[in-house]
Amino acid sequence: KAGVTQTPRYLIKTRGQQVTLSCSPISGHRSVSWYQQTPGQGLQFLFEYFSETQRNKGNFPGRFSGRQFSNSRSEMNVSTLELGDSALYLCASTSGSGGNSPLHFGNGTRLTVT
Amino acid sequence: AQSVTQPDIHITVSEGASLELRCNYSYGATPYLFWYVQSPGQGLQLLLKYFSGDTLVQGIKGFEAEFKRSQSSFNLRKPSVHWSDAAEYFCAVGAGDDKIIFGKGTRLHILP
Repeated sequence: KAGVTQTPRYLIKTRGQQVTLSCSPISGHRSVSWYQQTPGQGLQFLFEYFSETQRNKGNFPGRFSGRQFSNSRSEMNVSTLELGDSALYLCASTSGSGGNSPLHFGNGTRLTVT
Repeated sequence: AQSVTQPDIHITVSEGASLELRCNYSYGATPYLFWYVQSPGQGLQLLLKYFSGDTLVQGIKGFEAEFKRSQSSFNLRKPSVHWSDAAEYFCAVGAGDDKIIFGKGTRLHILP
């Protein structure tokens, strides 16, 4: 079975621009979660989607948004980029939902904002 | 609110020595507990999980962890580390429909 695929692997953007990251979950997994990883803050939860509905949301500003499609693929969008948005963005899928199923992670998208 | 604390940011051990990484959690209900490992440039890989039952759980790569409810701890152990174990380790907690949250990680360094 193919693992979680995130594209692109690397992105360089300028402050004020917007960016869209993509995640394809493991086949059959209906839940997709997004995390932001930075050296100082560790992994911070952004949001979780299950069957195209947002189930959980972290404490991020409205500039961060996401969606999930009927095939379970997910995208996250960050508008009006700030320097502090530079991070590794990790997507994870699971066969269940919420906190009782192990997450399967992709290799992440490294976003650099200049 | 749920939280996870990994008190050690960095740990250095000699190859062949034993290892224990500490994790303390705070959660109102019975939690699901996880340990993940991350190698440079990679995503996180699940080492082991605890849902219920036997409080000593075995994982991949020779790791094990012990759930101690009275101490709200879920420490990760390995009897003899290998140079390839050098990585960052994350403890995580979740339950029910709630999100899974992670500790800030412990970076493991191995001395030859």
